[in-house]
Amino acid sequence: GEDVEQSLFLSVREGDSSVINCTYTDSSSTYLYWYKQEPGAGLQLLTYIFSNMDMKQDQRLTVLLNKKDKHLSLRIADTQTGDSAIYFCAESGNNDMRFGAGTRLTVKP
Amino acid sequence: EAQVTQNPRYLITVTGKKLTVTCSQNMNHEYMSWYRQDPGLGLRQIYYSMNVEVTDKGDVPEGYKVSRKEKRNFPLILESPSPNQTSLYFCASSPHQHTQYFGPGTRLTVL
Repeated sequence: GEDVEQSLFLSVREGDSSVINCTYTDSSSTYLYWYKQEPGAGLQLLTYIFSNMDMKQDQRLTVLLNKKDKHLSLRIADTQTGDSAIYFCAESGNNDMRFGAGTRLTVKP
Repeated sequence: EAQVTQNPRYLITVTGKKLTVTCSQNMNHEYMSWYRQDPGLGLRQIYYSMNVEVTDKGDVPEGYKVSRKEKRNFPLILESPSPNQTSLYFCASSPHQHTQYFGPGTRLTVL
C-alpha cells in the first residue's frame, strides 16, 4: 500500500528553527497536510499545500514540497516550548487520507 | 460552538461484547471519517463517508461497521470486539475532504 514516513523524534532548543521531514509514495497525492497533536487532544490542522505548489508560508510555519522526490517538510521558526507536540504529515489523493506515524517535537528551554 | 463530539471518551469492555462509539458534528459537514491511532503507526483510516448513506472503507476496516443515516452522526460499531482493537479512536468531519476537524478521541480497551 501507499506509505507516509517521518522520523519519530526531534529535539531543539527554544528559539531555534525546527524542521520536520516527511516522505510519501503515492504519486497521485493531491493535497499534503501537517497536523499538530498536543497531549490528550485530537489533531489540529496546521496547514496544507496543494501538490502543484512548492512552498507555503504562514507566519512561523513554512511548508516545502518537492514533488519529484515526494518529500514534504515543515519548518517552524523561533520554536517555542508551546510548540512541543506530535506533528503528523498526511496526504490525500482520492477521498481517503493517509497519515505518517508522527514526529514528537521536544523543545528544550 | 462548532465541534465534533464523541461518546464515550473512555471505555473498557470484554471480548465479543458489541459496542458503539458515537460521533456527532454540528457544522453541517458532508465528509466524516473514523481513525484509530496506535503507537508508532500514526492514524489509520477505518471508514469514511462522503455524504448521507455513502460510506467507504479506509485502510483498516476489518472488524468495524459504520452507518450514515443522517448528516450529523457517524457511529462506529464493533460487533465483536477483540483485544487488537484496543486503541485510541478519532472521529473527524469536514466540509470537504480537507480541513478536517477532529473530535477529542475515545480510548477503548478490550480485555
